[in-house]
Amino acid sequence: AQSVTQLDSQVPVFEEAPVELRCNYSSSVSVYLFWYVQYPNQGLQLLLKYLSGSTLVKGINGFEAEFNKSQTSFHLRKPSVHISDTAEYFCAVSEAGGYQKVTFGTGTKLQVIP
Amino acid sequence: NAGVTQTPKFRILKIGQSMTLQCTQDMNHNYMYWYRQDPGMGLKLIYYSVGAGITDKGEVPNGYNVSRSTTEDFPLRLELAAPSQTSVYFCASSYNKGGMGNEQFFGPGTRLTVL
Repeated sequence: AQSVTQLDSQVPVFEEAPVELRCNYSSSVSVYLFWYVQYPNQGLQLLLKYLSGSTLVKGINGFEAEFNKSQTSFHLRKPSVHISDTAEYFCAVSEAGGYQKVTFGTGTKLQVIP
Repeated sequence: NAGVTQTPKFRILKIGQSMTLQCTQDMNHNYMYWYRQDPGMGLKLIYYSVGAGITDKGEVPNGYNVSRSTTEDFPLRLELAAPSQTSVYFCASSYNKGGMGNEQFFGPGTRLTVL
């Protein structure tokens, strides 16, 4: 069975500072990894995904994530955050092949402080 | 494209009442999902469907039912509402074609309160 752990439930950061949101996963097979963002009172939308190939993945709004197979991590980073990045971020994992059931983490609330 | 639409946006139910949450997608996606989101708990899968006429249980199916008679629609039925079903419900869809690691597209959600 697969699982996802987002250790930080909330991350406050000052505007224009860098941020890293941590995600660790567990699976016995090959995986696909995703980061979704949820703005207040909205559904989730995809930020970026890792399927294969380069371990550094770039997404929308200047975010990027690095897949580290040995540490089973997929941390999300942005070098300089903006007020508009205030949202909740969800890491998700699915097993490659078959139904590709997706398991979501519990989310990390990013609060950007002016 | 409207994407994934959900109705209603908000609803208050009394214990024991029933209701149907509607979900429609216009992207011709084969897979559809229902999740519930509770504070600090992430998203929990209730039911999913891999195509018209095919549905299966997720992690938390008790108290819910679904049907999928068309590609576009995937309604979620609550038969006897309980306070534990107070939550925000999200419908999502994706086009899955063999090992593609496909993105899920989410609707705006339905906020349900059971009193």
